[in-house]
Amino acid sequence: DAKTTQPPSMDCAEGRAANLPCNHSTISGNEYVYWYRQIHSQGPQYIIHGLKNNETNEMASLIITEDRKSSTLILPHATLRDTAVYYCIVSQGKLTFGQGTILTVHP
Amino acid sequence: GAGVSQTPSNKVTEKGKYVELRCDPISGHTALYWYRQSLGQGPEFLIYFQGTGAADDSGLPNDRFFAVRPEGSVSTLKIQRTERGDSAVYLCASSLDGQLNQPQHFGDGTRLSIL
Repeated sequence: DAKTTQPPSMDCAEGRAANLPCNHSTISGNEYVYWYRQIHSQGPQYIIHGLKNNETNEMASLIITEDRKSSTLILPHATLRDTAVYYCIVSQGKLTFGQGTILTVHP
Repeated sequence: GAGVSQTPSNKVTEKGKYVELRCDPISGHTALYWYRQSLGQGPEFLIYFQGTGAADDSGLPNDRFFAVRPEGSVSTLKIQRTERGDSAVYLCASSLDGQLNQPQHFGDGTRLSIL
């Protein structure tokens, strides 16, 4: 599976959009980009995934560059409950988690 | 609807003992995955079942670890002769059919502590 690179931590003000970047320059044609988040003492929570096109659901939006070498997860109006570790994963099936980005949403 | 259920939520046992961890996947999901998460790390893949068969067990660390899914639904992860290094959170996930575009949904895990 292709490796991903994410910043170790980010801050965001409550009510603002949180934009979490991810680099996956070695992604191959049939690999999907998945985003999960994990709050302490809970299992990872699925957020969104995509192959080539941008995607949006009730939780977030996923923007994938045209060359597919990077993507951005957007939480449009961050709340304190969005504080978590966010994992960007490029997968052909089994998920390979990196260190993720610790997002802290502050009042 | 009901998500992935894992029991027990916590398990404390002594070194050398045998443990079984149970996973109830989302109803109708044919694909089931086990992961292990050590403190401060992301989850690591252990094994993947498609139906009753283990399609990929490349993540099992050694032959003390074994998993079954006899009827294609509930799965049990078994660890023999436990060691202190086995202490971790063991996570189970399921997906509809294991296809690449089907997300995996996780339970909250079993926290295993080996004394």
